[in-house]
Amino acid sequence: KQEVTQIPAALSVPEGENLVLNCSFTDSAIYNLQWFRQDPGKGLTSLLLIQSSQREQTSGRLNASLDKSSGRSTLYIAASQPGDSATYLCAVSGGYQKVTFGTGTKLQVIP
Amino acid sequence: NAGVTQTPKFRVLKTGQSMTLLCAQDMNHEYMYWYRQDPGMGLRLIHYSVGEGTTAKGEVPDGYNVSRLKKQNFLLGLESAAPSQTSVYFCASSYLGTVYSNQPQHFGDGTRLSIL
Repeated sequence: KQEVTQIPAALSVPEGENLVLNCSFTDSAIYNLQWFRQDPGKGLTSLLLIQSSQREQTSGRLNASLDKSSGRSTLYIAASQPGDSATYLCAVSGGYQKVTFGTGTKLQVIP
Repeated sequence: NAGVTQTPKFRVLKTGQSMTLLCAQDMNHEYMYWYRQDPGMGLRLIHYSVGEGTTAKGEVPDGYNVSRLKKQNFLLGLESAAPSQTSVYFCASSYLGTVYSNQPQHFGDGTRLSIL
């Protein structure tokens, strides 16, 4: 059974700092990996989707990498801003409608 | 452009009561999903649909029923609510299924359900 772990569960950084969020998964047979953002009381917003054949994806200040063989992904946020404060979730797709979510990293960016 | 809309946003039920959660999407998506999110656990799939008139069980289907009579709507029913069903319920939709590489899911804002 696929397990997805995100460490740390919470992270607090000063504004302007570059930071890395981690996601690890136990079964490397995945189709894709997604990073989501969840704001309090809201649903999930897809940030980046990495196909299994790709190594990374970039969108603005966000860069996500994927290393299938080691079962790891990272989300790099450059020049963090208070508006980046949210919970970040990763999810792996391992088959037909089989998406496994991590429990998230709650990020606080302090002005 | 509303995206995925869930109603109601909050609800309190007593044990044994029944209710229906409504999910509506205006993106002409084929696939729709119901998840529950509990503290300390990742989102878990309850039921899903791959098109109008179809439904299928996910990871945690017991105690729930679903219907997809219209392409844009996906209903989640609790027949006899139990305290263990206290959770935040999210609906999601996508144009293609989750194995297709460039098709992210779009989520609603959730329904917060408490069962006393």
